[in-house]
Amino acid sequence: EDKVVQSPLSLVVHEGDTVTLNCSYEVTNFRSLLWYKQEKKAPTFLFMLTSSGIEKKSGRLSSILDKKELFSILNITATQTGDSAVYLCAVPHGSSNTGKLIFGQGTTLQVKP
Amino acid sequence: GAGVSQSPSNKVTEKGKDVELRCDPISGHTALYWYRQRLGQGLEFLIYFQGNSAPDKSGLPSDRFSAERTGESVSTLTIQRTQQEDSAVYLCASSFNRETNEKLFFGSGTQLSVL
Repeated sequence: EDKVVQSPLSLVVHEGDTVTLNCSYEVTNFRSLLWYKQEKKAPTFLFMLTSSGIEKKSGRLSSILDKKELFSILNITATQTGDSAVYLCAVPHGSSNTGKLIFGQGTTLQVKP
Repeated sequence: GAGVSQSPSNKVTEKGKDVELRCDPISGHTALYWYRQRLGQGLEFLIYFQGNSAPDKSGLPSDRFSAERTGESVSTLTIQRTQQEDSAVYLCASSFNRETNEKLFFGSGTQLSVL
């Protein structure tokens, strides 16, 4: 059965700290792994990773994929209170060539001033 | 439109009543998805539309749930005879074309509370 597991489930840090969020997956016919940030309700797209070892970067956020060990990490450096959100990891369902995604439970990040 | 729009943003209903949730995808997006998110949980896939057809309804939890899409645009998700376990945020998403179908753009969801 395809599944995605994220850790930790929640994290509290102070502004300026660096955090690493983890996502492990099991899926047949792996195509990609996606990270979303969810503030209030609407998840917003962060990264899509398809190749191992290639870091994707956007400002203070970066992510990398390890297809051999079946995991990805999302790093946030110099955290700010605006980074407080739920971070979701997802992979497309193995048997479907669509946006039918399997999501992890999410990591709730709280950044304190 | 500029983004995926959902209405209503909040809906409170009594157990046993029917509800309709609406989604307006981004203009030109051919694929549309409904997901459900229970409190503290990840998103669960419900149904996928390509154009006006629904090739994958595998996530609909029971026959009380149905959805349709018209004009390759607006979609409605209908829940009949609502139960308390239907309480959740219902999120709609759309994507542009088959090659990048995994990259979904989400609406702000409808928070459904069944009393």
